[in-house]
Amino acid sequence: DTGVSQNPRHKITKRGQNVTFRCDPISEHNRLYWYRQTLGQGPEFLTYFQNEAQLEKSRLLSDRFSAERPKGSFSTLEIQRTEQGDSAMYLCASTPSPTGVNGELFFGEGSRLTVL
Amino acid sequence: GENVEQHPSTLSVQEGDSAVIKCTYSDSASNYFPWYKQELGKGPQLIIDIRSNVGEKKDQRIAVTLNKTAKHFSLHITETQPEDSAVYFCAASKGTGGFKTIFGAGTRLFVKA
Repeated sequence: DTGVSQNPRHKITKRGQNVTFRCDPISEHNRLYWYRQTLGQGPEFLTYFQNEAQLEKSRLLSDRFSAERPKGSFSTLEIQRTEQGDSAMYLCASTPSPTGVNGELFFGEGSRLTVL
Repeated sequence: GENVEQHPSTLSVQEGDSAVIKCTYSDSASNYFPWYKQELGKGPQLIIDIRSNVGEKKDQRIAVTLNKTAKHFSLHITETQPEDSAVYFCAASKGTGGFKTIFGAGTRLFVKA
């Protein structure tokens, strides 16, 4: 399978704990995006990388959130001191750069976080 | 910033009927309008898109129309099938998509057999 891979698929944690999600993009894609999706809403942009450089961050990305893509391949999204409001689906997507004629975002299946 | 509104939030149709989902956007500079389908437990997947220099695009049972003057665009699914049941998201962006893509809140489509 050469699609975008995310793990873990589900994470249940207690408030105050730290969690980390991993995303492996499509291998030839050098842009990687993180989105958050809450129940009944569309995906909301959090941040994106061009290779290893983090080029844009949404104001939704509080200081408790940090994303890395150290070698320009896989990426991690860490949430520190989780709060109940962090409960959501965290989606990763990748695209080639430039996005070309299409502009399609290739999404993974997401990592669902539940904070108790 | 850009805002995308989508209606209805839920749509139930009988198999074989047509389904129409409508979206409006606020930023007149938006020029790329994709539609994504999200099945249960999966990530969104692009099903069709349209650029601002085109008024209509069709792909088999799916068509999208765009009215730039009114800043609204619509998804039309004909001859609906149970496997069309999913959540559909419209989106708008400036440029070719990527991080500048703003999504609507989604429409949950139920196709009854």
